[in-house]
Amino acid sequence: NAGVMQNPRHLVRRRGQEARLRCSPMKGHSHVYWYRQLPEEGLKFMVYLQKENIIDESGMPKERFSAEFPKEGPSILRIQQVVRGDSAAYFCASSSTGTAEQFFGPGTRLTVL
Amino acid sequence: GQQVMQIPQYQHVQEGEDFTTYCNSSTTLSNIQWYKQRPGGHPVFLIQLVKSGEVKKQKRLTFQFGEAKKNSSLHITATQTTDVGTYFCAGPVGTSYGKLTFGQGTILTVHP
Repeated sequence: NAGVMQNPRHLVRRRGQEARLRCSPMKGHSHVYWYRQLPEEGLKFMVYLQKENIIDESGMPKERFSAEFPKEGPSILRIQQVVRGDSAAYFCASSSTGTAEQFFGPGTRLTVL
Repeated sequence: GQQVMQIPQYQHVQEGEDFTTYCNSSTTLSNIQWYKQRPGGHPVFLIQLVKSGEVKKQKRLTFQFGEAKKNSSLHITATQTTDVGTYFCAGPVGTSYGKLTFGQGTILTVHP
């Protein structure tokens, strides 16, 4: 019974490149959440998706960031034209309902050179 | 804006001592969740509290939810080195229940 899967685990990009982070939720979970964590800081909510729909994107920067959760396949967090300030750990979580506990993936550590 | 505050930010204890972290919300929460993150790891769900005044125990861990549902605490009795990590509280703040607002976390160090 696999947990939440994220890939890649580590991603290095140069300024101006695009970063694509993937998340496969736990089996049976249709609710997906993305969080960003800077070193020694808490997790900051970015976006909440439920199969093909964005439920809440109030934590997403207005530019360069987008997220999707297609009918088939993993959820994708896309960051265009990355800048050094985008360097962080990006965690995906999933849940069975919108109020249930969230199970986190191992995260993607993004480094922008 | 709506916030979830957590104190202390850091706590160093000797193995065997007790540890408590406190969480306060600026608004009433429908529920509060606690997570633990080991260094270099990802957050792991510990527990969810829903009822006013609720107290739940997991072995040496005791979780409380305040009567007003605006504060919570996590108490660890007789800490062990395996307890090291960052403890986060989180609550659904806003109109979408899935959107969790996390406290800043308490980093626990246990000295053997």
